Amino acid sequence: EAGVAQSPRYKIIEKRQSVAFWCNPISGHATLYWYQQILGQGPKLLIQFQNNGVVDDSQLPKDRFSAERLKGVDSTLKIQPAKLEDSAVYLCASSFKGLAAREQFFGPGTRLTVL
Amino acid sequence: QQPVQSPQAVILREGEDAVINCSSSKALYSVHWYRQKHGEAPVFLMILLKGGEQKGHDKISASFNEKKQQSSLYLTASQLSYSGTYFCGISSPDTGKLIFGQGTTLQVKP
Repeated sequence: EAGVAQSPRYKIIEKRQSVAFWCNPISGHATLYWYQQILGQGPKLLIQFQNNGVVDDSQLPKDRFSAERLKGVDSTLKIQPAKLEDSAVYLCASSFKGLAAREQFFGPGTRLTVL
Repeated sequence: QQPVQSPQAVILREGEDAVINCSSSKALYSVHWYRQKHGEAPVFLMILLKGGEQKGHDKISASFNEKKQQSSLYLTASQLSYSGTYFCGISSPDTGKLIFGQGTTLQVKP
């Protein structure tokens, strides 16, 4: 079974530029999560999708971050414009259902550096 | 509310045991445990649910104490491959949203 795919793996941009990350979850997984992991910290949920609907985006900085999952499969997370503090690893995860009893499977992440 | 993990870091010799604690200020419904190696994605270890029993596989097990609002991860006879950062995550019962702790870094030396 293929795992969660993410691209690119690394990205370096200047502040105020825009960037987009792509995620393809495990086939059949209805729930998709985007996390931000700053060095030395635990992952922080940015947004959770159930199929193509948003379940939770309470911690997404909506003035600069946006995400979509148009067909309920793959998803894109965008940052525009980027700030220095956005430097982090962006992890995508998926689970069969968005339930407390279901494990989440993480992708390899995209390491973003904002200069 | 982010769960608090203790200790922040542990250094062991191969074969030694370790305990990592995860405490919450809110009532726990479920606790997830993940291990993350440097530069890699977190890997799922186990889930404990409210009212459930202690779980484990191989030499890694965990317990769930509802009264103390705490979960503990037990690593027995540690191996070099156990090195990494361990995260607990507490989950809401309806959406599965995980809030992770700050992590405990475990280093196992030969």
